[in-house]
Amino acid sequence: EIMLTQSPATLSLSPGERATLSCRASQSVRASDLAWYQQKPGQSPRLLIYGASSRATGIPDRFRGSGSGTDFTLTISRLEPEDFAVYYCQLYGSSPLFTFGPGTTVDLK
Amino acid sequence: EVQLLESGGGLAQPGGSLRLSCATSGFTFNTYRLSWVRQAPGKGLEWISTISSDGATAYYADSVKARFTISRDNSKNTLSLLVDFLRAEDTAVYYCARAESRWFGAHYYYYLDVWGKGTTVTVSS
Repeated sequence: EIMLTQSPATLSLSPGERATLSCRASQSVRASDLAWYQQKPGQSPRLLIYGASSRATGIPDRFRGSGSGTDFTLTISRLEPEDFAVYYCQLYGSSPLFTFGPGTTVDLK
Repeated sequence: EVQLLESGGGLAQPGGSLRLSCATSGFTFNTYRLSWVRQAPGKGLEWISTISSDGATAYYADSVKARFTISRDNSKNTLSLLVDFLRAEDTAVYYCARAESRWFGAHYYYYLDVWGKGTTVTVSS
């Protein structure tokens, strides 16, 4: 079973700053199998990125996904007030079918 | 507009059962895999089950295998999850989600592109 770790656990930043979130897999995976989600308090998750780097419909271009092998990154170029949330990476696999990372909280500094 | 709406959550006793439902609209139901994902209070996301578009194949996380049963009714555009032999650790918000697929490099991959608002299951005596 492939495990996902995310770092940092919490990222404290100000609006306008750049956020860099890391997701690491315990073994090399296909980039196509990696997705990112955003979840705000009291809301359901929202798909941001699929296939490691493709933005979902309606996602602003300040969100960028990248990476390959075991290391993947979600970058938010300039934080907007609505971007403060928890971010999860997710891997599509065989068993289990979907694996989520533990999440990174981006909060207001 | 694609919509998913869960129902059926509530308070259940340990060892008890509930049937969760997810009513959907706005897309061709019988062409998509569908999934259940749960989130315990203050915790992260946990995938628990997925069912194929025709209902013939079901996938489960080890934590719920043999206790939960996923099913779908393609005539009613509805997804269900029978949660049985409930434990305190099953307390969570349960989300249904649509699994979109893409073909790349000789394989399909899936991601969860639309989510419902969730239904809360509380297991307590």
